[in-house]
This record gives sequence, C-alpha cells and structure tokens, in this order.
Amino acid sequence: EPEVTQTPSHQVTQMGQEVILRCVPISNHLYFYWYRQILGQKVEFLVSFYNNEISEKSEIFDDQFSVERPDGSNFTLKIRSTKLEDSAMYFCASSEFWFVDRPPYNEQFFGPGTRLTVL
Amino acid sequence: GQNIDQPTEMTATEGAIVQINCTYQTSGFNGLFWYQQHAGEAPTFLSYNVLDGLEEKGRFSSFLSRSKGYSYLLLKELQMKDSASYLCAVSWGDYKLSFGAGTTVTVRA
Repeated sequence: EPEVTQTPSHQVTQMGQEVILRCVPISNHLYFYWYRQILGQKVEFLVSFYNNEISEKSEIFDDQFSVERPDGSNFTLKIRSTKLEDSAMYFCASSEFWFVDRPPYNEQFFGPGTRLTVL
Repeated sequence: GQNIDQPTEMTATEGAIVQINCTYQTSGFNGLFWYQQHAGEAPTFLSYNVLDGLEEKGRFSSFLSRSKGYSYLLLKELQMKDSASYLCAVSWGDYKLSFGAGTTVTVRA
C-alpha cells in the first residue's frame, strides 16, 4: 500500500540553525500539507500546498518557514532560524480529491513524522 | 478559528463499547474525520463524515449531525490494541484539518 515517507525520523539542532525536513508524498496525490505536534499538545496545521504554490497557511507559519517542491517527488519544510519552541513532531500529509455524487472526499494520509529537537 | 471539544480520557473493558463525543464550532465545514494515534506515531485514518448520519466500518462507526455541530466515534468489541488517542478533526477552508486535543482511551482486561 502506498505511503507517505519522511526523513529524517529525528533531527537535533542548535537554536538559530536552519533545518530542512523532507517528505515524499504518495505519488498520485496533488495536495500536500505540513502539521506539527508539540509534545502533549494537539496536532496543528501549518501550511497546505497545491499546484506548486501555498494554498493556505496558519499564523504559526511565519517568515521563518518555507515550503518547496524541488522535484516531482519531494516536498520540503525549511525552518530558517530555529527557536526552542520549534521543538515538535512535524507531520507531512498528502491527499487527493474524490468527486462522486457527494461533496469532495479528502482523506489526508500522514507520514510517520520527524521529531525536531532544538537545543 | 475552530473550536473542537472532546473528552480528555475514557476507560473501558475489553470487549465493551465506547463512544467518544466531539463537538465543534466551525466556518466553512468540509467534513469531519476521526484519526487514531498511538504515542509517538502519526495519526492514522479511521473514518470520515461529510453528510449527516452514521458511517459504519467494521468495529468502528462514526456519526455526524451538522446542525448540532456534533459527532461521535463508536468503538465496538474493544481490544487491548485499541488503547490509543482518538482525534476528532474538522476539515474546513481550503481543506486543512483542525484537530481536537484527542481522547485517550485505555482498554482494561
């Protein structure tokens, strides 16, 4: 069964350093998302991406964050200057839309996550 | 913004039934998802409701009432492996998901 993959599984970095988190979405999916989950807290939306541009972003997704689809398979999240509060699990998700005889169906498949630790 | 409420914890016995309620206040509702999440792992899809009513999928069922902003997830014939966090998530806007804080279900022998 196709799945979303993410690398690395765990990233440790020093405050102020740049990190790039990588994701390979499911191959026929066209919609991509990043979420994060701080330990013990709820999953939070960061950004959605479609047709090579950002569709929507949350207030968390400030100028320190950027996303890119550098080739036909990878989808990356860059944090330019990491802060302690960026420590979290970052999940990539992808989806396709089904239009049948009802509103669109948009199941998002989540990758296993990258645990980012900022020291 | 979105306001999604679900109980923090529930405990049930193996073989029993548990119902997890979720209430939400949202704008631009596209659908409601239930995900299961084991500690340290990614959310995995359980069910999806976009129209009112009950959706059944094996041991799991989910119900939606859009007029009441209410959903529930029903877990039947509980097994030990069902011990996990269950996340209610609303799809809205450009199909992004807003998650509740999750309900930790503990299944006891």
